[in-house]
Amino acid sequence: DAKTTQPTSMDCAEGRAANLPCNHSTISGNEYVYWYRQIHSQGPQYIIHGLKNNETNEMASLIITEDRKSSTLILPHATLRDTAVYYCIVRVRNLGNYQLIWGAGTKLIIKP
Amino acid sequence: GAVVSQHPSWVICKSGTSVKIECRSLDFQATTMFWYRQFPKQSLMLMATSNEGSKATYEQGVEKDKFLINHASLTLSTLTVTSAHPEDSSFYICSARDTWGGRVEQYFGPGTRLTVT
Repeated sequence: DAKTTQPTSMDCAEGRAANLPCNHSTISGNEYVYWYRQIHSQGPQYIIHGLKNNETNEMASLIITEDRKSSTLILPHATLRDTAVYYCIVRVRNLGNYQLIWGAGTKLIIKP
Repeated sequence: GAVVSQHPSWVICKSGTSVKIECRSLDFQATTMFWYRQFPKQSLMLMATSNEGSKATYEQGVEKDKFLINHASLTLSTLTVTSAHPEDSSFYICSARDTWGGRVEQYFGPGTRLTVT
């Protein structure tokens, strides 16, 4: 069962910051939050991940609330090529293996 | 980031035939690989986890005799869809885990589109 809930779709204007929310209220203390995106008919692309602290890389920033029950992925200057489905994922440990639990994703459409 | 390749990128086969899909980690060794299936407008569904040199672990509801997984080396895993039927038509995506330097990162292949006629 998915451990995350996300809005089904969002629009964002090109050049503006895209803020994608995610709820993961049942996350456990040692479970990471991952974000991947999938452009139509391609494999998922890793964006960022975090545990407790906010994280930033060349693609995005990840803001995790102090209680860890929700997070926000920020694309600082969205371009048309950022149009994709964005998945917020919790990584769990299952029978000695790490497993990514995928949610339904948010379809982000960047508009000119 | 690390690169994972899949071959073929798309395949069309007739009902009743078998299809093999290859997944390779190109610049790292992967003791663990994953196979996912994705139907249109849906999220990825984990089918099985394969560990090099041992039998794959299948998720509930996935028939291990229909979806044969072989992970014979640290850079190659194969998924064979046996006696394929139209309902097996889907987007199959593999993923490989990179544990270099103590990290645990998962990289995805570009996917294979299977159409069974």
